[in-house]
Amino acid sequence: GESVGLHLPTLSVQEGDNSIINCAYSNSASDYFIWYKQESGKGPQFIIDIRSNMDKRQGQRVTVLLNKTVKHLSLQIAATQPGDSAVYFCAENRGGGFKTIFGAGTRLFVKA
Amino acid sequence: GAGVSQSPSNKVTEKGKDVELRCDPISGHTALYWYRQRLGQGLEFLIYFQGNSAPDKSGLPSDRFSAERTGESVSTLTIQRTQQEDSAVYLCASSLAQGSPLHFGNGTRLTVT
Repeated sequence: GESVGLHLPTLSVQEGDNSIINCAYSNSASDYFIWYKQESGKGPQFIIDIRSNMDKRQGQRVTVLLNKTVKHLSLQIAATQPGDSAVYFCAENRGGGFKTIFGAGTRLFVKA
Repeated sequence: GAGVSQSPSNKVTEKGKDVELRCDPISGHTALYWYRQRLGQGLEFLIYFQGNSAPDKSGLPSDRFSAERTGESVSTLTIQRTQQEDSAVYLCASSLAQGSPLHFGNGTRLTVT
């Protein structure tokens, strides 16, 4: 099926460190990007989004960066906590429509 | 408020049988999506519905898969003559409008024996 690519399938960080999860997308017509967190046995949960007219957006402990030149998206988590351990997916919304395509996911392990 | 509800949460079926999965979206959400997630993998788009527009069925893997939605409410995903490769978690999501995030249910775990 359709998916957005990721650079790293797993990431292990020490509690309190910052985490950076990367994502590459292929469609330059995509104009809305979203990061989701998925814990075991649950559906993905919205974390933060960004539109193509922005290059940075900050939330609580999370920041999303968008580089349209190289079609790259990243999620930064500050002061990573054990509760942040999960699989993180980037997703793109193509051309302002409803169809949303997800990447393969990165599993984040937080070591106490 | 109530989130997206999916039923059943787990379904075990024999190869060749038909199954029907149900999704109740968040009230007022115009768009409804189905995704398939195989173990340890990402979300594979299957289909979405938006209002009264024709659904986008471009992700359905074969003609054994079909989905219906009644107005802006309940949707059912039907898999006919199930195969072992259909084993996966089937996730439903709804969204309020274009360019807004998806809200997911916890999925139906389908196991075909």
